[in-house]
Amino acid sequence: DQQVKQNSPSLSVQEGRISILNCDYTNSMFDYFLWYKKYPAEGPTFLISISSIKDKNEDGRFTVFLNKSAKHLSLHIVPSQPGDSAVYFCAASASISSGNTGKLIFGQGTTLQVKP
Amino acid sequence: NAGVMQNPRHLVRRRGQEARLRCSPMKGHSHVYWYRQLPEEGLKFMVYLQKENIIDESGMPKERFSAEFPKEGPSILRIQQVVRGDSAAYFCASSPGVEQFFGPGTRLTVL
Repeated sequence: DQQVKQNSPSLSVQEGRISILNCDYTNSMFDYFLWYKKYPAEGPTFLISISSIKDKNEDGRFTVFLNKSAKHLSLHIVPSQPGDSAVYFCAASASISSGNTGKLIFGQGTTLQVKP
Repeated sequence: NAGVMQNPRHLVRRRGQEARLRCSPMKGHSHVYWYRQLPEEGLKFMVYLQKENIIDESGMPKERFSAEFPKEGPSILRIQQVVRGDSAAYFCASSPGVEQFFGPGTRLTVL
């Protein structure tokens, strides 16, 4: 039962262009969403998050969009740089205030390659 | 301002041995989560602990796996009588509240 899905295993874009990574979820109890970036042999690094009360959050080159009705979120990276090449995981959580424990449910990851 | 520390980074065990993985959270963080990543998969939640308490162990296998977070010292994930299927990367994360910050992981190889 995959509650968080990243249907594209890989994505290749040209340096300077936009990278769009997608994520779908099924559990309507999720109200907090995060994106992590991971290099080989390292732990995931937190990138950006969004609460379900918002539909957009921006931090520099990274923007996350949330469409609650479609249970879909996306991460936009503009402009893409070769150093962005990594595996990107989306993760979802149900709020601790609702009695949940804050554990993260991860997607399978999308490998982004940014070509110079 | 050290991040989350995990040791060892690599651990090799033979089938039937015990594996002990350690995690020191970031200073000031009292929540520790353990996740496992099998090859070609995403991270899967295992257990959530606060100091001296297991809060959520819904992702832990029923047998051979245990975790603790004592009052003093690091959190320990213990795997008894390891099998080849336990080979994976084990990550811990610490949190002050919502965002979780991950350590570099321990890569366990069972021969």
